[in-house]
Amino acid sequence: GESVGLHLPTLSVQEGDNSIINCAYSNSASDYFIWYKQESGKGPQFIIDIRSNMDKRQGQRVTVLLNKTVKHLSLQIAATQPGDSAVYFCAENMRGGSYIPTFGRGTSLIVHP
Amino acid sequence: SQTIHQWPATLVQPVGSPLSLECTVEGTSNPNLYWYRQAAGRGLQLLFYSVGIGQISSEVPQNLSASRPQDRQFILSSKKLLLSDSGFYLCASVARNNYEQYFGPGTRLTVT
Repeated sequence: GESVGLHLPTLSVQEGDNSIINCAYSNSASDYFIWYKQESGKGPQFIIDIRSNMDKRQGQRVTVLLNKTVKHLSLQIAATQPGDSAVYFCAENMRGGSYIPTFGRGTSLIVHP
Repeated sequence: SQTIHQWPATLVQPVGSPLSLECTVEGTSNPNLYWYRQAAGRGLQLLFYSVGIGQISSEVPQNLSASRPQDRQFILSSKKLLLSDSGFYLCASVARNNYEQYFGPGTRLTVT
């Protein structure tokens, strides 16, 4: 069936390094993709989104890349800080109809000082 | 931006007892509302979503139900809790004019 999945369940990096979190999706009808950050015991927080008519979008210290050819999405965090430690989820939404995103399993990012 | 309120923050209930979790939304009108459940170390499972007052769609058949008595109020209920109902319950909202989904702080439910 259609699904959104993540390649790495855990990613450990040193403070100051750049982090890359990957996500694969299989639904070619998806046209909107979102990254969320979830800190322990809290609800997910929107980080950045991208529509299928784009292949790159930048925010503050974060960049999302979309490769529709291989159905791959990534989140790049520049100069990773201890406060970036959290679980990161990608989500996809199909074009048309109600907004009902499908969430991936999540990747735990651990930043070592 | 929107603010999502959920209560209680934590709840311990015995098997067979009823449940009522409430979610209210500030900062938008006529939003789409969602209930998710998250097991420990896992992703988000969509339980219910609502596009308007009294309009509820169920994604997963189970002993839970949802209601939307007011535009910005979403309630998750159960008549008799099961052990498998334990988890982290999240309410979310999406405004009509965009796709940005805001989440509440969540309710940690433990069924004993």
